Parts: sequence; C-alpha cells; structure tokens
Amino acid sequence: GAVVSQHPSRVICKSGTSVKIECRSLDFQATTMFWYRQFPKQSLMLMATSNEGSKATYEQGVEKDKFLINHASLTLSTLTVTSAHPEDSSFYICSARAAFSSYNEQFFGPGTRLTVL
Amino acid sequence: EDQVTQSPEALRLQEGESSSLNCSYTVSGLRGLFWYRQDPGKGPEFLFTLYSAGEEKEKERLKATLTKKESFLHITAPKPEDSATYLCAVQARGNEKLTFGTGTRLTIIP
Repeated sequence: GAVVSQHPSRVICKSGTSVKIECRSLDFQATTMFWYRQFPKQSLMLMATSNEGSKATYEQGVEKDKFLINHASLTLSTLTVTSAHPEDSSFYICSARAAFSSYNEQFFGPGTRLTVL
Repeated sequence: EDQVTQSPEALRLQEGESSSLNCSYTVSGLRGLFWYRQDPGKGPEFLFTLYSAGEEKEKERLKATLTKKESFLHITAPKPEDSATYLCAVQARGNEKLTFGTGTRLTIIP
C-alpha cells in the first residue's frame, strides 16, 4: 500500500519550453502533496506544499510563476516548470501524505529527472 | 530554523560488519523524526517514524533509536542489498514540512 507514481520518469527538453510532471497516489487519497528537488549528492529541498483544491504554498526563494503547481484531486498533483532553463535541470520528487493516516509519514514517488538543454 | 546533520557522509562496511549512522537535529518542538532509504535515481523509501525520546523501532536488520538531540540507525550484520543512502528528516509541531539531512551513503562490500 501507499504507492506514489510520477510521470514521466525522465524528460529532456529545450531551453524555453514548459514541462509538466504528474504525481499520483495510486492506492490512497492524499490530502497534502509535496514537491521537492534534489541536486546530485545533496539532500531533498522542499519547493512547495499543495492541498487539494487550494493554492500551493511555496518555500522562500521558489518562484511560484515558474513552478506552477495544481492539486486537482485527492490523488493527483502536477508541477509545471515554465520556460525551463538549464539551471532547472534537477531531480524532482513528489510525496504524499495519506488522508487516512494518523501518523505523518510522507510517501515518495520515484522521481523525475529533468534535463534542459 | 530546524536543522538536521547526518554523519558520517559515507560509510563502507564489510558484509556482516555492524555499525550505526547518526542523525543530530535541532527543531522547535519535535513532531516526528523520519528515516528513509534512497537508492540511486529513485525516490526515498519510508523506513521509520519516531516520536519521542526513548522510542525504538526495528525492521529486519535495521533499528532506529531516538534521544532529545539525535537519532541512530543501527544496522546489524548488513548485506550488500542494504547499500543505499539513508536520509533522516525532522518535522516540527504544527508544521507538515520535513527538513532533511544530506544523508549517509552506505556501501556494503561482499
């Protein structure tokens, strides 16, 4: 149980294009989903927190107009990287907290490797 | 500001050689401390949550313990398949955000 999927797993795009990443909770409803980015040999850095049906809360220093987050349902959140540039190349990982859980575990997706040429 | 420091940065062990990984933390009221395992190119896999000092949890060859300042992840008689990066994270009360350490990269040599 508590499986989170991400699509695509890898994407290569040209500078200036937009890329959408999907995060789905497959066997549970997620009240809250989180988006992280991870650079090589570094830890996960939280970008934003999203709750179903409301606007995402972005961490300090994260441009909300560049990283658009939509949490349309209790099982789906999307991250769109708009006008991507090479410095946006990174490993993007989502996580979800289960609606049923009295605990606070976040279950992570497998990640999306974004390469911007 | 919540902070998590993990040590060592990297650890190489022979198969069967037990050891411990350290996670030191400062947080404004601990809600929970989490251990995750991350394989290269993959997302973190949940291992344990600890909520209060003195608590211990076990899973196969892993045992996590918690004090008011740090947590240890003990690995007993490790196998090569235990090779991974182990991440520690804390969550403060009243906050859903996880603050992660940089991890310990564990390599078990057959």
